[in-house]
Amino acid sequence: QVQLQESGPGLVKPSETLSLICTASGGSMSEYYWNWIRQPAGKGLEWIGRVYKSGSSNYNPSLKSRVTMSVDTSKNQSSLMLSSVTAADTAVYYCARERGSSRMFDPWGQGTLVTVSS
Amino acid sequence: DIQMTQSPSSLSASVGDRVTITCRASQTINIYLNWYQQKPGKAPKLLIYAASSLQGGVPSRFSASGSGIDFTLTISSLQPEDFATYYCQQSYNTPRTFGQGTKVEIK
Repeated sequence: QVQLQESGPGLVKPSETLSLICTASGGSMSEYYWNWIRQPAGKGLEWIGRVYKSGSSNYNPSLKSRVTMSVDTSKNQSSLMLSSVTAADTAVYYCARERGSSRMFDPWGQGTLVTVSS
Repeated sequence: DIQMTQSPSSLSASVGDRVTITCRASQTINIYLNWYQQKPGKAPKLLIYAASSLQGGVPSRFSASGSGIDFTLTISSLQPEDFATYYCQQSYNTPRTFGQGTKVEIK
């Protein structure tokens, strides 16, 4: 069954670009949307956006101007880029597969903590 | 955006208690409602999808109901491993949105 794993720098400087990769193993993600979700420490879940293999994407309007997502089907990976980061972007970042007619998130990656600090 | 409001934000309960969490959407979402369980330091885990369908491997003490605007998650007999934070999430449209979470603590 599909497993997801996020990777990328754990520390990003303010005003720079956060870049993360989500790698799928154990199955293909080619027929699913890749979703990115984040969670600041001690707070709730915020949906960042989703991307399909075709490049079709939907982003949270609150982040849309700073977000870019893409898919590399040959590597079974999705990437997230978030530009002009501030301390408010410090969070655990998750990727998740969106599946089924009910469009639920399953499975999730284990998450990766990204801290924005100089 | 569709706002999802959970109540209560937290609750204290004992092992064996029946626990109910509610989730209200700011507009109708049919049955595009999912529930997740999150334990500290872990990723959320899907419990319920399509408002009332139990994800495979999830114990039958978990159940859920609702459609339209109002939804509930019920744990019939709380077990030690159920102490966690629970989130509802709408998948009716984008942006996908989550409730603020309900933390279930040990009394």
